[in-house]
Amino acid sequence: GQQVMQSPQYQHVQEGEDFTTYCNSSTTLSNIQWYKQRPGGHPVFLIQLVKSGEVKKQKRLTFQFGEAKKNSSLHITATQTTDVGTYFCAGLNDYKLSFGAGTTVTVRA
Amino acid sequence: ETGVTQSPTHLIKTRGQQVTLRCSSQSGHNTVSWYQQALGQGPQFIFQYYREEENGRGNFPPRFSGLQFPNYSSELNVNALELDDSALYLCASRPDSYNEQFFGPGTRLTVL
Repeated sequence: GQQVMQSPQYQHVQEGEDFTTYCNSSTTLSNIQWYKQRPGGHPVFLIQLVKSGEVKKQKRLTFQFGEAKKNSSLHITATQTTDVGTYFCAGLNDYKLSFGAGTTVTVRA
Repeated sequence: ETGVTQSPTHLIKTRGQQVTLRCSSQSGHNTVSWYQQALGQGPQFIFQYYREEENGRGNFPPRFSGLQFPNYSSELNVNALELDDSALYLCASRPDSYNEQFFGPGTRLTVL
């Protein structure tokens, strides 16, 4: 079955620094979605990427979908304490949304 | 706020018991999906309902079953609870033509 893998599992970032988290699928995806889950909370939708090579920006967050539609990345610039949480990518094929295990981000002030 | 509510917030059961979890979606959200999220893991797809019919299922045994009602509420039923069923159970709904999932706050189930 489809597997979605994320790396790194943990990201410890100094406030103000940049970092990137990566997502890879074992199969080609119809689209990829990114969610953020704060500690003790539930996943909240961030963005959806549909087209091969697509790049979307949300303020300090840049999302990219690979040319083969099997990988994606999330780059955060000038990390802030509000960026703390776990970032999940989720690949959509047919009706099924398959989540990766997430990258948990902590920020050092 | 996503407009999706779940009850109860927390639940403690013993092995072998049965449990029913409830979800209330926004009006017009015809698709509801249920997920199991173990500690430190991503949500795992259990099944999906569209207009009261199950139209997709993940790798979960038949003792996980569900219902969706015309008033945009839904249920997840789990029979013969096992210790490994301890997890956060999330429901997520969406309107037609949307892929974005609107998640509820979840029900934390502990099986002893």
